[in-house]
Amino acid sequence: QVQLQESGPGLVKPSETLSLTCTVSGDSISGYYWSWIRQPAGKGLEWIGRIYTSGSTNYNPSLKSRVTMSVDTSKNQFSLKLSSVTAADTAVYYCARDRVDYFDYWGQGTLVTVSS
Amino acid sequence: QSVLTQPPSASGTPGQRVTISCSGGSSNIGTNIVHWYQQLPGTAPKLLIYRNYQRPSGVPDRFSGSKSGTSASLAISGLQSEDEADYYCASWNDSLNGPIFGTGTKVTVL
Repeated sequence: QVQLQESGPGLVKPSETLSLTCTVSGDSISGYYWSWIRQPAGKGLEWIGRIYTSGSTNYNPSLKSRVTMSVDTSKNQFSLKLSSVTAADTAVYYCARDRVDYFDYWGQGTLVTVSS
Repeated sequence: QSVLTQPPSASGTPGQRVTISCSGGSSNIGTNIVHWYQQLPGTAPKLLIYRNYQRPSGVPDRFSGSKSGTSASLAISGLQSEDEADYYCASWNDSLNGPIFGTGTKVTVL
């Protein structure tokens, strides 16, 4: 059974960089796409972007200028960095295994609050 | 269209059939496949239907999906109390070059 677990600071100051890591267990990270998705409280889901295990990326154009994703196959992890955050970036952030157009395994999510 | 439109709410009594619609456009549902996710209160979304109508292992056959033109539907037959959740449709969007989600529908079991 594939399991994903997000980790990272739950509180980030405005204008700083949000950093999250997703650790995958139960299967190798290699050979798949991996995505980040977020959900503000009481609102819908927004795809942030994806990374393949080769390192190639595809980002949501609305966030592209602030997003960087990376992968570490030796640790079975992939990461998200979102720069210059504002209160609008406050959300629950999910990592998920990406089967190109659908997500079959999700992490439990981690709440990131942007506040001074 | 950069968003998929769903009714904000739907409801039914136990045993009833409930249908949720998902309306898109030519750059998403019209030319791509549709998936559905169930989000129980306080939990992460879970894949419910993929590739328009396929069910992952473990998903009851009470849940079924269909697609026609630029719209899709999720049907829940024999509604049960544990089906109370938010439901999201999703599809690839050609102009975004990525997936987009529906606005979400909250299903209430009366």
